[in-house]
Amino acid sequence: GAGVSQSPSNKVTEKGKDVELRCDPISGHTALYWYRQSLGQGLEFLIYFQGNSAPDKSGLPSDRFSAERTGGSVSTLTIQRTQQEDSAVYLCASSPRTSPRQYFGPGTRLTVL
Amino acid sequence: KQEVTQIPAALSVPEGENLVLNCSFTDSAIYNLQWFRQDPGKGLTSLLLIQSSQREQTSGRLNASLDKSSGRSTLYIAASQPGDSATYLCAVNDYKLSFGAGTTVTVRA
Repeated sequence: GAGVSQSPSNKVTEKGKDVELRCDPISGHTALYWYRQSLGQGLEFLIYFQGNSAPDKSGLPSDRFSAERTGGSVSTLTIQRTQQEDSAVYLCASSPRTSPRQYFGPGTRLTVL
Repeated sequence: KQEVTQIPAALSVPEGENLVLNCSFTDSAIYNLQWFRQDPGKGLTSLLLIQSSQREQTSGRLNASLDKSSGRSTLYIAASQPGDSATYLCAVNDYKLSFGAGTTVTVRA
């Protein structure tokens, strides 16, 4: 079946612009996660959704970052007023109700100029 | 806060040799541990999940063990092949993942 998909695969933006990153989880997966991978910080957790609710937003680095999930499916990560330190690969993962195993998408590479 | 360490950071072996990748974590009260593979410029591929009640998991040439009391997990890859060249990451899975920095493996033909 189809895996986790993310779009766009690459995004180049100017400092100060807003960006939206999209994640389509595996069909039927109830949990959805966002992570960020950068050279200096490795892989770090951002936010976790169970259904449409986000019980853990503890990894969002600042109030410029927000995320939502609709219909228990698609999620959008929004970064407002982007900064150069936001440059990273943003990864989305999902897992089913019956297992904690997380399945990752290919990521969105964000470059802030 | 859970700290996850992977040693060595890089490993180069000739084809056919067995690989042993180490992962240690600071908080032994973990739920699960997951091993991933990442190829350059790609996302993460889930290899094995060991749930906290289990001591090991096997899939083909891969075997992962978990020793919660000592805070360690080991991934064994038997009879390595050039196609096994990648970065291997372990992550403590307490619904959110806490990752190690990874071990980059090169298998020489």
